[in-house]
Amino acid sequence: GENVEQHPSTLSVQEGDSAVIKCTYSDSASNYFPWYKQELGKGPQLIIDIRSNVGEKKDQRIAVTLNKTAKHFSLHITETQPEDSAVYFCAASRRSSASKIIFGSGTRLSIRP
Amino acid sequence: GAGVSQSPSNKVTEKGKDVELRCDPISGHTALYWYRQSLGQGLEFLIYFQGNSAPDKSGLPSDRFSAERTGGSVSTLTIQRTQQEDSAVYLCASSFRTGMNTEAFFGQGTRLTVV
Repeated sequence: GENVEQHPSTLSVQEGDSAVIKCTYSDSASNYFPWYKQELGKGPQLIIDIRSNVGEKKDQRIAVTLNKTAKHFSLHITETQPEDSAVYFCAASRRSSASKIIFGSGTRLSIRP
Repeated sequence: GAGVSQSPSNKVTEKGKDVELRCDPISGHTALYWYRQSLGQGLEFLIYFQGNSAPDKSGLPSDRFSAERTGGSVSTLTIQRTQQEDSAVYLCASSFRTGMNTEAFFGQGTRLTVV
């Protein structure tokens, strides 16, 4: 079945440094790749997404890259700040009307002051 | 103008009892998802409803779990004969699944504790 693997499970970076989280997916028909941020006690919230017709997308300090051939996608956060501390989930789905969203196992990101 | 609403926010139940968890999706959203998140773990897919199509139940862990979506809106996740391993946060999400617009909006979750 469909599977999304995510690494690392925990990540600690110095404030101001960059953080990178990587994911791989198994379903070659996947064409929509969202990233969610979950703060303590809250539901996950979409922060950025990328579709298979695009290789890279950037929104201020956040960027995502997608390599469809290798079935890899990554989240890059630059100039990290304390409020970036959270759990981040990658996900994959087919952009059709009958497709579930499969999530990775999550990365707990901690920003050291 | 609410987002996805889940109730109750917390539920403590005795082992062997049945529980019902409710999800009110965003008005007009045709897709509704249930996920389970055990402590410190990822989001485990349970079930997916899309419009009038048959639901994708492939993630339900056992026949003690079932879900309904009445009138294409409110959904109820039912767990029968609860076990301690059912303790987790149950998250509901909805999306307006058409064309390019596929963002899923999550509720705050229901924290279920089976004692």
